[in-house]
Amino acid sequence: AQSVTQPDIHITVSEGASLELRCNYSYGATPYLFWYVQSPGQGLQLLLKYFSGDTLVQGIKGFEAEFKRSQSSFNLRKPSVHWSDAAEYFCAVGAVDSSYKLIFGSGTRLLVRP
Amino acid sequence: DGGITQSPKYLFRKEGQNVTLSCEQNLNHDAMYWYRQDPGQGLRLIYYSQIVNDFQKGDIAEGYSVSREKKESFPLTVTSAQKNPTAFYLCASLSPSSYNSPLHFGNGTRLTVT
Repeated sequence: AQSVTQPDIHITVSEGASLELRCNYSYGATPYLFWYVQSPGQGLQLLLKYFSGDTLVQGIKGFEAEFKRSQSSFNLRKPSVHWSDAAEYFCAVGAVDSSYKLIFGSGTRLLVRP
Repeated sequence: DGGITQSPKYLFRKEGQNVTLSCEQNLNHDAMYWYRQDPGQGLRLIYYSQIVNDFQKGDIAEGYSVSREKKESFPLTVTSAQKNPTAFYLCASLSPSSYNSPLHFGNGTRLTVT
């Protein structure tokens, strides 16, 4: 069965520091992978997605993620965090069938120290 | 601007009452989804619909019902059979032109049942 694991419930970084949020997935075929961001009380906004090709994908707001098939990982990175990046981040894997369902991880809440 | 509208933003009900959450989209998307979000559990799929007059159960459909009479609308009814209905509910849609299409989310409805 498909599953997504985000092992870090909370992460705190200082403004200007680099960031890496971890995501591991379980899927029987080549997955479609997504990172979404959610501000408090809001819906989710797509940061980036991977479905094929270059394993390093660029997204909005300066984020990037690297797909590593051997590690079943799709970690999100940002070289320099801004206070406005404080939010909850969700990794998701897409079903490669007619359902188009997404399976989400439990999320990582990012706190940014001034 | 195209988007997904969920209303109301906050909803309060007494235990034992059914309640219907509205979701409308003007993106001309075929597929629509309802997710439930609880702290620390990420998003869990309740129901989804890929075309008008058709819908499928997701992972946690018990105690919920939906209808899809129009392409633009996918209301969710939380029935009195749902044991723990207090949660944040998110509606999403996509145009499944390809498997890597991202979900578009509404801003959610927070339901509190007392």
